[in-house]
Amino acid sequence: GEDVEQSLFLSVREGDSSVINCTYTDSSSTYLYWYKQEPGAGLQLLTYIFSNMDMKQDQRLTVLLNKKDKHLSLRIADTQTGDSAIYFCAERDAGNMLTFGGGTRLMVKP
Amino acid sequence: DSGVTQTPKHLITATGQRVTLRCSPRSGDLSVYWYQQSLDQGLQFLIQYYNGEERAKGNILERFSAQQFPDLHSELNLSSLELGDSALYFCASSGGNYQETQYFGPGTRLLVL
Repeated sequence: GEDVEQSLFLSVREGDSSVINCTYTDSSSTYLYWYKQEPGAGLQLLTYIFSNMDMKQDQRLTVLLNKKDKHLSLRIADTQTGDSAIYFCAERDAGNMLTFGGGTRLMVKP
Repeated sequence: DSGVTQTPKHLITATGQRVTLRCSPRSGDLSVYWYQQSLDQGLQFLIQYYNGEERAKGNILERFSAQQFPDLHSELNLSSLELGDSALYFCASSGGNYQETQYFGPGTRLLVL
């Protein structure tokens, strides 16, 4: 079955860039997503990328997709303390089912 | 605010009981999805409904069931509850159009004692 892997934890200083990585196994993925979850809150859609693209930029967020290696990354420029949260990547298959990674907890130190 | 609403926000109940979680999708969305988030299993897809019909099933236990009503709101019924059912239950909705991006509600936190 599909598998999505993320590292558990990332710590950065305020103002630095954060890069959160994700690998997936399903080659039939159509879209790949990044969601943000703050403590006690739901999942907020941050951005997504279509599987035939290799890069998407949205303000401070840059998504890079390497289809050959099945590797997805989310770069957050000028990381702020308000960016501290858990970030989930998810792949969507042809049947529109989402498979989520385990989440990466981002801690931003002032 | 995603536009997806879920009630109740919190629910505390005892083992063996039955509860119903409710979800209202974003205006115009036809698809509703249910997910369970627990510490040991992460975020798992349970079931999807599209315009009142079941469309896809994931790791949903037989003790759990769901339905989508003509007004497109959905309910997730959890019965014979066990301690291990304690989790955050999320509902998401999508338009049913080609893009199919899922927008999540704030979740219902279920605690089974």
